[in-house]
Amino acid sequence: DTEVTQTPKHLVMGMTNKKSLKCEQHMGHRAMYWYKQKAKKPPELMFVYSYEKLSINESVPSRFSPECPNSSLLNLHLHALQPEDSALYLCASSLLDSSGNTIYFGEGSWLTVV
Amino acid sequence: GDSVTQMEGPVTLSEEAFLTINCTYTATGYPSLFWYVQYPGEGLQLLLKATKADDKGSNKGFEATYRKETTSFHLEKGSVQVSDSAVYFCALISSGAGSYQLTFGKGTKLSVIP
Repeated sequence: DTEVTQTPKHLVMGMTNKKSLKCEQHMGHRAMYWYKQKAKKPPELMFVYSYEKLSINESVPSRFSPECPNSSLLNLHLHALQPEDSALYLCASSLLDSSGNTIYFGEGSWLTVV
Repeated sequence: GDSVTQMEGPVTLSEEAFLTINCTYTATGYPSLFWYVQYPGEGLQLLLKATKADDKGSNKGFEATYRKETTSFHLEKGSVQVSDSAVYFCALISSGAGSYQLTFGKGTKLSVIP
């Protein structure tokens, strides 16, 4: 089973709203990732959690706030977003040992900011 | 830094045609190499991978061989189907900062017509 589950699949929010994207995996992976993908572009890394600790923040604006409550869950809290933040948000996970060099992606959450 | 260069599309083929999507990379050391596929409106799926030189990854009739001497990982399929229409991303993985990081090519959009 190589499943990463993301909810919601679609989200429309206003610029003053607060919402969250959720991600879950039960593969025992200890690294979890958030990526942002704009149309016709490859995914861009936003955040990485390793062993539930934030290890990489790719200079993402503070209106995006990640959270890793436990080893299976990853959230992305959204507040005061801009229309240009509309994109596909992908969650991913991987093992962290020497054999775990494969990153598995979820189906993504399509975010529209109005 | 690491980089991946893949042929830019779009590529349009008739059903049952032979497919090649070229991918070359620049990296320090010996990265693992991947092909991901993204069907319309969906997230990224791992298509195949190779972890060392001369390895051949294969899945769903697609193949790619890790060629260290030419730093290439070209994707091939002998007979494409309409259902193969998607965007294909070549990627390599490197380790650092306690996690793995993917470097993607720009993606190649494949359209297969009946």
